Amino acid sequence: DIQMTQSPSSVSASVGDRVTITCRASQGISSWLAWYQQKPGKAPKLLIYAASSLQSGVPSRFSGSGSGTDFTLTISSLQPEDFATYYCQQANSFPRTFGPGTKVDIK
Amino acid sequence: EVQLVESGGGLVQPGGSLRLSCAASGFTFSSYWMSWVRQAPGKGLEWVANIKQDGSEKYYVDSVKGRFTISRDNAKNSLYLQMNSLRAEDTAVYYCARARMNSSPNDYYYYGMDVWGQGTTVTVSS
Repeated sequence: DIQMTQSPSSVSASVGDRVTITCRASQGISSWLAWYQQKPGKAPKLLIYAASSLQSGVPSRFSGSGSGTDFTLTISSLQPEDFATYYCQQANSFPRTFGPGTKVDIK
Repeated sequence: EVQLVESGGGLVQPGGSLRLSCAASGFTFSSYWMSWVRQAPGKGLEWVANIKQDGSEKYYVDSVKGRFTISRDNAKNSLYLQMNSLRAEDTAVYYCARARMNSSPNDYYYYGMDVWGQGTTVTVSS
């Protein structure tokens, strides 16, 4: 199975900050990576698919990059509604696996 | 409106069974792969199972193989998860999700799980 790791596990940031989250796969997954945002008590929301494609309706301050084993999610200017937990997920093979999550909270 | 609504969760004793349902509306259900994803209390997301549009391909996480069965009824726009031999570690919120993917080796793509239900809670406890 492909293992996914994320760093950091949590980050404290202020509104307007640039935030970068890293996701690493235990083996190459091409560009088959998605990023999700989850707020407490809510279902996850798709932000990025195929490593760098922005899901329709998602603000352009979110961006993704990477291929192979190393990926990043960047929030260019953190907004109050962005405080949440972010998960990466690989879709190169079954079983699908998620990273452990990165919690972005208020500094 | 594109929507997924789960039902069927509840409290069940260890070793018991439960069947989750997911009703889809607002899109052509038969055109999409579907997924179940769960989240144990205070934990991260765990993918559970996927089923192809026509039910011909099914995939499971190892921890539920032989105990859970994913199925669908395209005529009823519904997805199901039959859960048998339940364990305490199956306690979680279970989400159904629409997956945009094609599994053909020569034309594989995965564009994420773009529609999610609100989740249904399964508690396995005596």
